[in-house]
Amino acid sequence: AQKVTQAQTEISVVEKEDVTLDCVYETRDTTYYLFWYKQPPSGELVFLIRRNSFDEQNEISGRYSWNFQKSTSSFNFTITASQVVDSAVYFCALSFWGKLQFGAGTQVVVTP
Amino acid sequence: DTAVSQTPKYLVTQMGNDKSIKCEQNLGHDTMYWYKQDSKKFLKIMFSYNNKELIINETVPNRFSPKSPDKAHLNLHINSLELGDSAVYFCASSQKFTSDQQETQYFGPGTRLLVL
Repeated sequence: AQKVTQAQTEISVVEKEDVTLDCVYETRDTTYYLFWYKQPPSGELVFLIRRNSFDEQNEISGRYSWNFQKSTSSFNFTITASQVVDSAVYFCALSFWGKLQFGAGTQVVVTP
Repeated sequence: DTAVSQTPKYLVTQMGNDKSIKCEQNLGHDTMYWYKQDSKKFLKIMFSYNNKELIINETVPNRFSPKSPDKAHLNLHINSLELGDSAVYFCASSQKFTSDQQETQYFGPGTRLLVL
């Protein structure tokens, strides 16, 4: 069965601190895709990244970075030098047969 | 020039009523989806259409009926609304439906439905 676990319900940090969001997934597929989405307080879902199971290179985009480790079935997300605008719910998702299986989300609260 | 748009943004209605939510995408995508986000923010797929054909139909009450008049539109009609239908409904689209599951889904802004 496909499953995505985001064990951290909420993380609170002070601005400029780094924050790491954990994502652990389960799948029987050998080829699969993982995603991260951001849901700010305004409510929309914003696509952040897609990663396929064959590419274990870490990815960096500005203050965002992702660490994909197939051996531990994890796809963690780090925000470096957090800002108030990073306050949002972040979802990790696994794609299978056209469906996105989402984790429960992690609420990130960044205070000035 | 919003990529995926939904109307209305907010919908407040009484139990037992019938309502529709409309979705349009201008990305030229073939595949569209409906997801439901409950009060605990859990997101779950409901339906998917590829080129106007239904390809995913999760365990959703028959009161929910999607309709795709063309590739760019996917509407959701809900009959006999119940309190438990209160949620945020998201429309999404992806370029195509592929068995290797690689396509990125782009979401609309959501429709907040409140059933009283």
